[in-house]
Amino acid sequence: AQSVTQPDIHITVSEGASLELRCNYSYGATPYLFWYVQSPGQGLQLLLKYFSGDTLVQGIKGFEAEFKRSQSSFNLRKPSVHWSDAAEYFCAVGGRGNTPLVFGKGTRLSVIA
Amino acid sequence: NAGVTQTPKFRVLKTGQSMTLLCAQDMNHEYMYWYRQDPGMGLRLIHYSVGEGTTAKGEVPDGYNVSRLKKQNFLLGLESAAPSQTSVYFCASSYSSQTESQYFGPGTRLTVT
Repeated sequence: AQSVTQPDIHITVSEGASLELRCNYSYGATPYLFWYVQSPGQGLQLLLKYFSGDTLVQGIKGFEAEFKRSQSSFNLRKPSVHWSDAAEYFCAVGGRGNTPLVFGKGTRLSVIA
Repeated sequence: NAGVTQTPKFRVLKTGQSMTLLCAQDMNHEYMYWYRQDPGMGLRLIHYSVGEGTTAKGEVPDGYNVSRLKKQNFLLGLESAAPSQTSVYFCASSYSSQTESQYFGPGTRLTVT
């Protein structure tokens, strides 16, 4: 079975600074990987996903993530954070057998002026 | 398109009471899911359905039942509510597999006293 770890519970960045949110997964084969974002009081929205091919994937809102098999990681990045990016971010991993996704515990992002 | 809707948005129950949460989607998705979100725990899958008339257990199914009598609806029932079921419940749907993008509803905040 797959599992996912988001090591950072809470991160604070200044507006305009770069951002990297960490995600590590455990799975025996190449997984399906996702990043979702949850704004306060709302449901989750898909930012981006990796299935195969190019290991650098682009998503919505200027986010990107890189799959690194050697490090079992799928870190989310953004070059310049906006105040509206303050939210909770969830990494999720899916297995190749059409098994349910497993979500990480989330990283809360605060953005300061 | 309304996407995924959930009814009700908020509910307070007394221990031992029962209730049903309704999830509806208008995207003709085959797969539907019920998650619960608790602080520091991320999203945990309660039950899911891979098509009309089917249901399956997720990670935390105890104390809940579900039904998928119509493709567009997925009901989550609590027969005898317990304080441990105080949570925010999210419904989601995806087109044809676990690893396709999931679309989430806005959530139902349930408090059991």
